[in-house]
Amino acid sequence: DAMVIQNPRYQVTQFGKPVTLSCSQTLNHNVMYWYQQKSSQAPKLLFHYYDKDFNNEADTPDNFQSRRPNTSFCFLDIRSPGLGDAAMYLCATSLRYGSGANVLTFGAGSRLTVL
Amino acid sequence: GQNIDQPTEMTATEGAIVQINCTYQTSGFNGLFWYQQHAGEAPTFLSYNVLDGLEEKGRFSSFLSRSKGYSYLLLKELQMKDSASYLCAVRDSNYQLIWGAGTKLIIKP
Repeated sequence: DAMVIQNPRYQVTQFGKPVTLSCSQTLNHNVMYWYQQKSSQAPKLLFHYYDKDFNNEADTPDNFQSRRPNTSFCFLDIRSPGLGDAAMYLCATSLRYGSGANVLTFGAGSRLTVL
Repeated sequence: GQNIDQPTEMTATEGAIVQINCTYQTSGFNGLFWYQQHAGEAPTFLSYNVLDGLEEKGRFSSFLSRSKGYSYLLLKELQMKDSASYLCAVRDSNYQLIWGAGTKLIIKP
């Protein structure tokens, strides 16, 4: 089945220790997104890629970086995690960006704990 | 600023009907989405409305009134597995998706 796969599902790190979360997709979608979601809050878009074009949200901290080495993979790097970065990180894909019934397909998420 | 309002939590009984409301104030409108999110899991797509009116999909229906900035999700014949959060999201004039915080729906036997 075509899908979006995130690894790891659960990540525990220490304050300030870098973390990398990965996302892969078999849907052949052009757009990949990284969202941060804290408990009972709306998902917050960190950045998205349309093919190789990187789009950073204005309020995404510099502590968060992303890489998309090819159309199937995308990585989220948190350079120096703080306690406030503990959250669920959701990767999503869509065929295109913008108009129409542009449905997002989400991965199962990576839950980050910062000690 | 842009804003999506949904009730924080609702409770309903198995077999009953529940309506989850969503009001929005956004810079333009290019469609409204409803997603279901079970605890600790990823959101999954339920419905999309871009024109006024009711879209029906099995036990779930979604309604949109663009002039009122209002939508609702109607769930019929509630089942225990419908216990989840329901997220309303609006795409604005820049095609950015603005998300609500979600409505946690609790189903009781």
